[in-house]
Amino acid sequence: AQSVTQPDIHITVSEGASLELRCNYSYGATPYLFWYVQSPGQGLQLLLKYFSGDTLVQGIKGFEAEFKRSQSSFNLRKPSVHWSDAAEYFCAVAPSDSSYKLIFGSGTRLLVRP
Amino acid sequence: EPEVTQTPSHQVTQMGQEVILRCVPISNHLYFYWYRQILGQKVEFLVSFYNNEISEKSEIFDDQFSVERPDGSNFTLKIRSTKLEDSAMYFCASSEDGQSFAEAFFGQGTRLTVV
Repeated sequence: AQSVTQPDIHITVSEGASLELRCNYSYGATPYLFWYVQSPGQGLQLLLKYFSGDTLVQGIKGFEAEFKRSQSSFNLRKPSVHWSDAAEYFCAVAPSDSSYKLIFGSGTRLLVRP
Repeated sequence: EPEVTQTPSHQVTQMGQEVILRCVPISNHLYFYWYRQILGQKVEFLVSFYNNEISEKSEIFDDQFSVERPDGSNFTLKIRSTKLEDSAMYFCASSEDGQSFAEAFFGQGTRLTVV
C-alpha cells in the first residue's frame, strides 16, 4: 500500500536560516508528489507539485523540492525562512494510476524563532 | 481569487444525531472531494464525486456517510448517526480536472465535535 512518511513532527528554525523538511514515500511506480501548507485557521494550500521531468521543482513563497527516486524522497527546502512561514507542512502522494485521492503524511509543524 | 468555502467552521453535535457539512466548491470545478483529519492524525481521503456520482471512496466512507450535490453550487457530506470517533476536521476540496496533476483547492475545514 502507498504511504508517506514525514519523520519530523516539529522543526524549529531561526528566522533567516535555511529549512529542509523531509518526506519519504512508498510506492512501486513514480507517483505524483505534492507539498501543502496549513496556516492556523486556514485550509490546505498547495506549495508545489511534481509529476515528471525536472526533479527540482519550484513553488510559491520561495519553496522548492527535489524528487530523488533512488531515495524515494521529496524533501521541501527554503533558503531563508520568514516568520510567516510558521505553519504545518504536509507531503502528499497521488498514485499515478489513481486520479482521485491524495495520501498525506502526518505533517511537520514548523516553528520560527525570531 | 476563487476559493472553496465550508460552513459551519465548527459544529458540535450529540452522538447519534445526523449532521450535514456544507461546501461551496469553486464554480468551474468538476471534481469534488471530502477529506478528514482526526486530531493528531493524518489527513485521510474519504470520497471523490464527479458527474453526480461517487467516483472513489475509502474504507472509512461506510453506510453512515453520504454525499450530495443538491444544486449547482453546494456539495454536502452527511453523517447519518454520528459517533464519538467521527470527531475530526473535515476538509472539502475541488479540482477543475480529476487527473492528479490538476490542483485540488481545499476549504478551511469544518471542525466536527461529537459529544
